[in-house]
Amino acid sequence: GNSVTQMEGPVTLSEEAFLTINCTYTATGYPSLFWYVQYPGEGLQLLLKATKADDKGSNKGFEATYRKETTSFHLEKGSVQVSDSAVYFCALSDGGNTGKLIFGQGTTLQVKP
Amino acid sequence: EPEVTQTPSHQVTQMGQEVILRCVPISNHLYFYWYRQILGQKVEFLVSFYNNEISEKSEIFDDQFSVERPDGSNFTLKIRSTKLEDSAMYFCASSVTGETQYFGPGTRLLVL
Repeated sequence: GNSVTQMEGPVTLSEEAFLTINCTYTATGYPSLFWYVQYPGEGLQLLLKATKADDKGSNKGFEATYRKETTSFHLEKGSVQVSDSAVYFCALSDGGNTGKLIFGQGTTLQVKP
Repeated sequence: EPEVTQTPSHQVTQMGQEVILRCVPISNHLYFYWYRQILGQKVEFLVSFYNNEISEKSEIFDDQFSVERPDGSNFTLKIRSTKLEDSAMYFCASSVTGETQYFGPGTRLLVL
């Protein structure tokens, strides 16, 4: 079945460092891909998405490119801030009638001043 | 900006009791979902709901679970007889087209 695998965390970076969180997927067809972020004590917020191969999703300085050849959707940011500290979830839309989401296990990012 | 809201934020119940978790989806959305996240584990799909009926459900969503849209705004998840392993964060989500889903803040359920 469809699945999403994320890099293990936690990831600890200093402020202004470059961030990469790896995400790979297994899917039949061409799912849409998403990154969600969960700040401490809050729910899941949509960060960015891409709906087809080679699309780049971007938001708040974060980017991810839908790579069909490597089945990847890695999240990047050029310069992280303390306020980016959160749990990041990669997900794919399973298609079908309702597009249920299949999530990766989440990666905790901690940014130190 | 419209948001999905959920009540209560926390719920503590005794094993075997019934609980109802409530959600108010974004008003023009047509697809509704419940997910759960057991502490330290992945977010898991439970059920999707469209056009006043369940469109898909996972293996987790057994006969102890039910969903309802009792009026034009609320979407509820009922657990008939809670078990210890039902302790989790429950997220409601909604979507206009079934593609991009917007999540509520969650209800943390603790079964004792």
